[in-house]
Amino acid sequence: DGGITQSPKYLFRKEGQNVTLSCEQNLNHDAMYWYRQDPGQGLRLIYYSQIVNDFQKGDIAEGYSVSREKKESFPLTVTSAQKNPTAFYLCASGDGYNQPQHFGDGTRLSIL
Amino acid sequence: RKEVEQDPGPFNVPEGATVAFNCTYSNSASQSFFWYRQDCRKEPKLLMSVYSSGNEDGRFTAQLNRASQYISLLIRDSKLSDSATYLCAVNPNQAGTALIFGKGTTLSVSS
Repeated sequence: DGGITQSPKYLFRKEGQNVTLSCEQNLNHDAMYWYRQDPGQGLRLIYYSQIVNDFQKGDIAEGYSVSREKKESFPLTVTSAQKNPTAFYLCASGDGYNQPQHFGDGTRLSIL
Repeated sequence: RKEVEQDPGPFNVPEGATVAFNCTYSNSASQSFFWYRQDCRKEPKLLMSVYSSGNEDGRFTAQLNRASQYISLLIRDSKLSDSATYLCAVNPNQAGTALIFGKGTTLSVSS
């Protein structure tokens, strides 16, 4: 089935540790996005990528990094510089301008 | 003014009621609009796309008012299963950018 796969579903990070969240899509979408959602809050854009090997910072990029080496994959690294990483992380992809975005089922990150 | 604003609610309605949510946007150049449904602790799922004046899908109707810069979502004959948070998303009409989401409106339908 076509879709967006995020893994793991739950992730725990120790202080000072970098962790990487995986996002893979087989929808052949050019654009991919990472959002963070805190309890009772809306979606905040972390990074997005319109094409392979190119990405742009969103509203809250500090403490995060991404790569886009393949069209299908857009991993997000939460670095130790992100002091408050506990949140629900959502990856999305889209088929271009004026098209909706479709979401993976998310990764919940907590601090140990 | 925030780019996309929604009344957070909650809207508490009985089964069978009709309920409407509004979403206002600040960028008059925006061309496409979307409503998503998000269940508790789940990802948002696309409910409806709105490209012109409106769109209807069963009990759900979305309308666009460009003059006043808002979109609305009308739910008729509410079901218990409609209880969720409804997110509005707006395309800022700039190539290479992401949708801008509102914070969502929470609906609770009771029997």
